[in-house]
Amino acid sequence: KQEVTQIPAALSVPEGENLVLNCSFTDSAIYNLQWFRQDPGKGLTSLLLIQSSQREQTSGRLNASLDKSSGRSTLYIAASQPGDSATYLCAVITGNTPLVFGKGTRLSVIA
Amino acid sequence: EAGVVQSPRYKIIEKKQPVAFWCNPISGHNTLYWYLQNLGQGPELLIRYENEEAVDDSQLPKDRFSAERLKGVDSTLKIQPAELGDSAVYLCASSPGLAGGYTQYFGPGTRLTVL
Repeated sequence: KQEVTQIPAALSVPEGENLVLNCSFTDSAIYNLQWFRQDPGKGLTSLLLIQSSQREQTSGRLNASLDKSSGRSTLYIAASQPGDSATYLCAVITGNTPLVFGKGTRLSVIA
Repeated sequence: EAGVVQSPRYKIIEKKQPVAFWCNPISGHNTLYWYLQNLGQGPELLIRYENEEAVDDSQLPKDRFSAERLKGVDSTLKIQPAELGDSAVYLCASSPGLAGGYTQYFGPGTRLTVL
């Protein structure tokens, strides 16, 4: 059974810092991996999707990497801003199956 | 293009009452998911539809939960009777399948509070 773990569970950083969120999964036979953002009381917003054949994806200040063989992904946020404060969720999928989510990392960026 | 639409956004009911949630997926998406998200946790699947067929409902508590997807478009999730432990966020997602890399698009969710 696929299990996804996210470390740390919570993170607080001053504005302007670069930071890394970690995600690991137990079964490397994934089709893709997605990083989501969730604001309090809101739904999920997809940030980046990495196909299993890819190593990384970039969008603005966000960069996600994937090491499928070791079962790891990282989300790098450059020059963090208070508006980045949210919960970040990592999820993996194996073909046409439900996403398996981690519990998320709750990020606070302090101005 | 409109995203996944869910209603209501919030619902407060007393225990033992029935409640229903509605989801309208993105047009053309054949796959529809209902996820349950408890506080501080990631979402977990309740049921998955391919068109109008429920192909994975192993996590759906069938004694009190039911779902339908008429005509393979809109879907309704029902709880009867609701229990205190059902308080959570209910998320609907849709996917275009292989053509879209199995990407799932989520609605805003329905936050249920059972008193």
